[in-house]
Amino acid sequence: DQQVKQNSPSLSVQEGRISILNCDYTNSMFDYFLWYKKYPAEGPTFLISISSIKDKNEDGRFTVFLNKSAKHLSLHIVPSQPGDSAVYFCAASARGGGADGLTFGKGTHLIIQP
Amino acid sequence: KAGVTQTPRYLIKTRGQQVTLSCSPISGHRSVSWYQQTPGQGLQFLFEYFSETQRNKGNFPGRFSGRQFSNSRSEMNVSTLELGDSALYLCASSGSPAEDYGYTFGSGTRLTVV
Repeated sequence: DQQVKQNSPSLSVQEGRISILNCDYTNSMFDYFLWYKKYPAEGPTFLISISSIKDKNEDGRFTVFLNKSAKHLSLHIVPSQPGDSAVYFCAASARGGGADGLTFGKGTHLIIQP
Repeated sequence: KAGVTQTPRYLIKTRGQQVTLSCSPISGHRSVSWYQQTPGQGLQFLFEYFSETQRNKGNFPGRFSGRQFSNSRSEMNVSTLELGDSALYLCASSGSPAEDYGYTFGSGTRLTVV
């Protein structure tokens, strides 16, 4: 049973527009969420995180929104650039419960079209 | 500063053999986690070590084991290799378990079991 779901395997966005990547989770014990970006043949690179006590966190072009009641989070990239083309993973953990590391979604392949 | 270093980068083993993978965390980081990435299952948590003690363990058989040394370097071992163990094995480090800046991943070891 997948506890973190990224329902869009791929997403194509025009350069300069907004990219919105979505993630849903089922475990109500999750209290910390992260987004990672991955290029082929490299490990995931940390992008941005959000604690469950917040509903928004911004870092430059990247903003993560958390809707706890809907168990949904999203990553907004504005404006999208060609270098943003990569696979994006949503991850969650239950820090308060000391549970099992990070639980990852299966990723969304973002393609930025020129 | 140097990132997370994983060795070797690539490995080919025969079914039934055992393998040891190595991870050197970022200097000063005391928490090391291991993940398995496969096309079908995505990124799955194996285990996490902090100050030489295993804190958490994912849902993997006992053939998968690990340890952490006093210098925070970590090794993971897989015994009696099966074809399904072919995967990218990723190591991640953080200053302490689940810091706000997220985990830093290495580039991984690509294990192929034939």
